[in-house]
Amino acid sequence: GAVVSQHPSWVICKSGTSVKIECRSLDFQATTMFWYRQFPKQSLMLMATSNEGSKATYEQGVEKDKFLINHASLTLSTLTVTSAHPEDSSFYICSAILRQRGTGELFFGEGSRLTVL
Amino acid sequence: AQSVTQLDSQVPVFEEAPVELRCNYSSSVSVYLFWYVQYPNQGLQLLLKYLSGSTLVKGINGFEAEFNKSQTSFHLRKPSVHISDTAEYFCAVSRGEGFKTIFGAGTRLFVKA
Repeated sequence: GAVVSQHPSWVICKSGTSVKIECRSLDFQATTMFWYRQFPKQSLMLMATSNEGSKATYEQGVEKDKFLINHASLTLSTLTVTSAHPEDSSFYICSAILRQRGTGELFFGEGSRLTVL
Repeated sequence: AQSVTQLDSQVPVFEEAPVELRCNYSSSVSVYLFWYVQYPNQGLQLLLKYLSGSTLVKGINGFEAEFNKSQTSFHLRKPSVHISDTAEYFCAVSRGEGFKTIFGAGTRLFVKA
């Protein structure tokens, strides 16, 4: 159990366009999801915490108008990279906590590689 | 505040040799400890976790880790590695649900034939 799925796995877009990445918890309800960005050969950088039914909490230095997060249901959170530029190219990963497990154990999506031309 | 230090950025090892990936943490409160593995172009997958109880924790793929409270360490070990173990390994700590998970910088395990 506790499967998290991300879509798309790979996306290439032109500079100036917007891209939406979906993160779904397939077999459990996730009140909290997290979005990370990972640069090559580096650790995960937490971008924001997504809470169902409320505004996301962004980490310092992350532009909320650039990276729009919507957690509209207990099984879906979306990250929209608006007006993407080449510097936004990265590997984006979402994760979710299994509700009431209490340990903070994270279940990760497969990741989405964004390339902005 | 918590922090996690992975002492080795890269660990090259020959196939069938034993390996240890080191992790030290600092925290003024009790935490849960995790090791996650990331294969190329994939998300992270839980290898094992220490919540409480026995300090020796066994995980998937033959890995195990030992929690040492006095040394604030949680080193990951495998007695005999395979080529397929080549991946990035992340040590992480969490105070539990409602708190952010703190990740180490990662250790790249490279298994050579």
